[in-house]
Amino acid sequence: NAGVTQTPKFQVLKTGQSMTLQCAQDMNHNSMYWYRQDPGMGLRLIYYSASEGTTDKGEVPNGYNVSRLNKREFSLRLESAAPSQTSVYFCASIFGGYSNQPQHFGDGTRLSIL
Amino acid sequence: GENVEQHPSTLSVQEGDSAVIKCTYSDSASNYFPWYKQELGKGPQLIIDIRSNVGEKKDQRIAVTLNKTAKHFSLHITETQPEDSAVYFCAARYNTDKLIFGTGTRLQVFP
Repeated sequence: NAGVTQTPKFQVLKTGQSMTLQCAQDMNHNSMYWYRQDPGMGLRLIYYSASEGTTDKGEVPNGYNVSRLNKREFSLRLESAAPSQTSVYFCASIFGGYSNQPQHFGDGTRLSIL
Repeated sequence: GENVEQHPSTLSVQEGDSAVIKCTYSDSASNYFPWYKQELGKGPQLIIDIRSNVGEKKDQRIAVTLNKTAKHFSLHITETQPEDSAVYFCAARYNTDKLIFGTGTRLQVFP
């Protein structure tokens, strides 16, 4: 049982390059989330998707776009990468957004932008 | 806006001692409070959670307490072991399906 799978695990980009981070879950969860984690700042929500076909902004959406391709997959795109987007990115999922259930996290993508 | 404060940012204890991490939240409507443990190079993993209709929950060496009036909740780890060393995050659920996270506590347990 894989849970939440993120690819790639590591990536180095140059300023201005574009990239898509992939996330897939096999738990039949409805809601999916993208976070970024920076030292001393905890996890901050970038975008989330309450169900297939819907997406909404979180706390720090600027510079990012998302696509909920189907129920399993939720991708995060950086159209023109900036050094300020150097971070560790985590994808998470939950069965139902309105239930008090824990979010399940992937192991992250470590992204460096030079 | 909604906020979760977490203290301390670092905590060092001797093996066998207890560790306590405290969080406060701002949204009185929050009703779900999970705690996550994050080991190096891994994603956060849920270790315990508590809902607002409960004041305390225990799971072996780990316990969480909630004071809704004061908007405080705390993680207690007893008989700490070196494998408890990690970063711990508290969180509070707000606005139906989103979590706000604390800034994390790095716990080091020395043998």
